[in-house]
Amino acid sequence: SAVISQKPSRDICQRGTSLTIQCQVDSQVTMMFWYRQQPGQSLTLIATANQGSEATYESGFVIDKFPISRPNLTFSTLTVSNMSPEDSSIYLCSVDLSREGTQYFGPGTRLLVL
Amino acid sequence: AQKVTQAQTEISVVEKEDVTLDCVYETRDTTYCLFWYKQPPSGELVFLIRRNSFDEQNEISGRYSWNFQKSTSSFNFTITASQVVDSAVYFCALSEARGYGNKLVFGAGTILRVKS
Repeated sequence: SAVISQKPSRDICQRGTSLTIQCQVDSQVTMMFWYRQQPGQSLTLIATANQGSEATYESGFVIDKFPISRPNLTFSTLTVSNMSPEDSSIYLCSVDLSREGTQYFGPGTRLLVL
Repeated sequence: AQKVTQAQTEISVVEKEDVTLDCVYETRDTTYCLFWYKQPPSGELVFLIRRNSFDEQNEISGRYSWNFQKSTSSFNFTITASQVVDSAVYFCALSEARGYGNKLVFGAGTILRVKS
């Protein structure tokens, strides 16, 4: 198994601002994923981030709103841009350690936008 | 399209009772994987089990057991002799195979409350 960490663990932000969330893994992984969990809801995949290529976004999510970086095999960032209260959610990163499809999740970042 | 249905929104049981969480899935893929995750109040998502579509053997791990039936497209999860620490939201998920990384499609989740 690997240790997956996220920063910040939580934040309260004002509308119109942006927040960058970091995801760090203690081993090299090819695939990293970003999910959103709105209050009381299930998880929805935002995008898949491969090192060395542009992130692939799911329907309903766009790069201008959720830019993603993947500078190396152990690190990724997700930025939530021009935030509104509707962006209040838990944002989770996950990695596929085994390349067999099992995803392990970071502890999540709880975001509240006022 | 892939779909996972967890019809039970919330279940309340008393400690030591057995409880089964239902999961029904839809997929056109012939090869797929199913998962169960636990999300305790702290918020992290904990991986419990993975089952490949070609492996219909049921699995038992301590107080946890899983029943996978392709004929009914179900992957149910049973907790035997429930404990208060089992209180959490449980998600069933289905992987959608893609060339650039599998996507997990999650069910809505079932809130399990175990009372002492």
